[in-house]
Amino acid sequence: DVKVTQSSRYLVKRTGEKVFLECVQDMDHENMFWYRQDPGLGLRLIYFSYDVKMKEKGDIPEGYSVSREKKERFSLILESASTNQTSMYLCASRTWTGATNEKLFFGSGTQLSVL
Amino acid sequence: SQQGEEDPQALSIQEGENATMNCSYKTSINNLQWYRQNSGRGLVHLILIRSNEREKHSGRLRVTLDTSKKSSSLLITASRAADTASYFCATGLPNSGGYQKVTFGTGTKLQVIP
Repeated sequence: DVKVTQSSRYLVKRTGEKVFLECVQDMDHENMFWYRQDPGLGLRLIYFSYDVKMKEKGDIPEGYSVSREKKERFSLILESASTNQTSMYLCASRTWTGATNEKLFFGSGTQLSVL
Repeated sequence: SQQGEEDPQALSIQEGENATMNCSYKTSINNLQWYRQNSGRGLVHLILIRSNEREKHSGRLRVTLDTSKKSSSLLITASRAADTASYFCATGLPNSGGYQKVTFGTGTKLQVIP
């Protein structure tokens, strides 16, 4: 089975800190995604990466950046954390064989609290 | 606003009953998927229906898709307490870069009472 591992389950940071959220997948998937999940808002796409060093903005990229230097690792960076970035962050990966047969595999999530 | 919105937001049923969740979306899609999430953990893929399909079955799951109405429904038959979870629809959207992004709805929280 595909394993998507997020480095921390819970994280507490101070306003203004630089925060790194790490995600690693072990199935050689080309595409990786970062979502945030908030009550009543569902999952919202922050960024996705379709290959190493390639990235595309999602629906809410403001205040975030990403890095994909190696195929298995996709990092989400909060340059200067703010309280409105307190959220559950979910990483996902998929292999791309076409739109008719796709499946995202998710990590367990990182609950980030910014104080 | 979200590409997909589920209805109802919450649903409570007795074990053995059927559960129906609906999803509406806004733009043309390549496919529609349903995912399940237990207790705020990661999501698990349940089923995918292609834009040219109208109905699909997998075990106790039945998914329908009406592209003219931009809506889908997920039916779980003979529900069990273990089906208690949140369910999300997700749409595969054509992307200008040629890579498909996947956007999620707001979710339906299902409670199955033993």
